[in-house]
Amino acid sequence: QEQLVQSGAEVKKPGASVKISCKASEYKFNSHYVHWVRQAPGQGLEWMGIISPSGGSTSYAQKFQGRVTMTRDTSTITVYMDLSSLRSEDTAVYYCVRGKEDSGYVLDHWGHGTLIAVSS
Amino acid sequence: DIQMTQSPSTLSASVGDRVTITCRASRSLTTWLAWYQQKPGKAPTLLIYKASTLEGGVPSRFSGSGSGTEFTLTISSLQPDDFATYYCQQYDSYSTFGQGTKLEIK
Repeated sequence: QEQLVQSGAEVKKPGASVKISCKASEYKFNSHYVHWVRQAPGQGLEWMGIISPSGGSTSYAQKFQGRVTMTRDTSTITVYMDLSSLRSEDTAVYYCVRGKEDSGYVLDHWGHGTLIAVSS
Repeated sequence: DIQMTQSPSTLSASVGDRVTITCRASRSLTTWLAWYQQKPGKAPTLLIYKASTLEGGVPSRFSGSGSGTEFTLTISSLQPDDFATYYCQQYDSYSTFGQGTKLEIK
């Protein structure tokens, strides 16, 4: 069964950084873009960016430029999202999401989400 | 950035009703638009992409239409499992979501 298994919830202090992992299984890792989408408590979905697992190229939403870094490790079939300079507004559930093979921005398989709480 | 506006924000309906949710884009998307369903405490699931293509396994009571800047998601006969929040997503230029439409039981 295709899965995206994310790392566990974390509590961070303002100004700190967080790195979330997303391990893929049971699908052709290099054939699907991976996106990161977040959802603040009681709020809607917010697209953060995309990484190509095959070549590692990335594109980030303008809002997160300079604060987010997405990387991948093809040997462990894992994608990472690093968000720096955390503030309380970054408290959210962060999802890694697979794009369809033939339409990479269509999000057909979602991870279970990782709750990041930013609090002093 | 492309802005996406959904309406209504909340919709109250009964089992068996036909409902329509609208999504408007700040500029033309041709048909690069998807719809997702999210239930409380769960990750979203894909319903429709390319404005009108039903994802495999999604019931046929769901349908999508539109092009350019105006799109609709229609549920032909509401079932108890359909009460959830629905989001549109543009993918013409990177990606942006609408703010969501919560479908409630009347």
